Amino acid sequence: SAVISQKPSRDICQRGTSLTIQCQVDSQVTMMFWYRQQPGQSLTLIATANQGSEATYESGFVIDKFPISRPNLTFSTLTVSNMSPEDSSIYLCSVRRDSYNEQFFGPGTRLTVL
Amino acid sequence: SQKIEQNSEALNIQEGKTATLTCNYTNYSPAYLQWYRQDPGRGPVFLLLIRENEKEKRKERLKVTFDTTLKQSLFHITASQPADSATYLCAHNNAGNMLTFGGGTRLMVKP
Repeated sequence: SAVISQKPSRDICQRGTSLTIQCQVDSQVTMMFWYRQQPGQSLTLIATANQGSEATYESGFVIDKFPISRPNLTFSTLTVSNMSPEDSSIYLCSVRRDSYNEQFFGPGTRLTVL
Repeated sequence: SQKIEQNSEALNIQEGKTATLTCNYTNYSPAYLQWYRQDPGRGPVFLLLIRENEKEKRKERLKVTFDTTLKQSLFHITASQPADSATYLCAHNNAGNMLTFGGGTRLMVKP
């Protein structure tokens, strides 16, 4: 398995501000993902952040709104920019170990936008 | 496009019974399916992965089956306990090898 930590675990933010979420993994992984889980919903993939390449965004998500950094094989950040109440969700970091299919998730960051 | 469907209604069972949760997919058989447990406000926890060519996979009190004819995976928890109460998510890899999740089924085990 992989041990994944996220910071912050939760935050309450004002409309129009930005929040950067950090994700740290206990081992080097190539494939890292960011998901969003809105209240009462299942997980939706925001983007794939593989080290050494630009993040790939899913339909409905754009880099200007959710910029991602992946400076090395154990760390990534997701920024939620110009927030609105609709951005209130749990944001989850996830990794897949090289040569394995199993995918593991961090504890999530619970974001509330007022 | 491929869809993953889980029963959105909560499953309520008595402690000690076997809980069975269903995951159906609509089109092509995925190479593998993964099952996760999620507690409120927490990230999903990986439980089991079953490959297309595997009929059954077990881990302690958990059992997963994969029926490509029915396009269905069943997730069983035997001798269920109140601590098993959680939402259980099924996920498959899509054509781009990214995970797509079902809506999850909430399990409530009553003492």
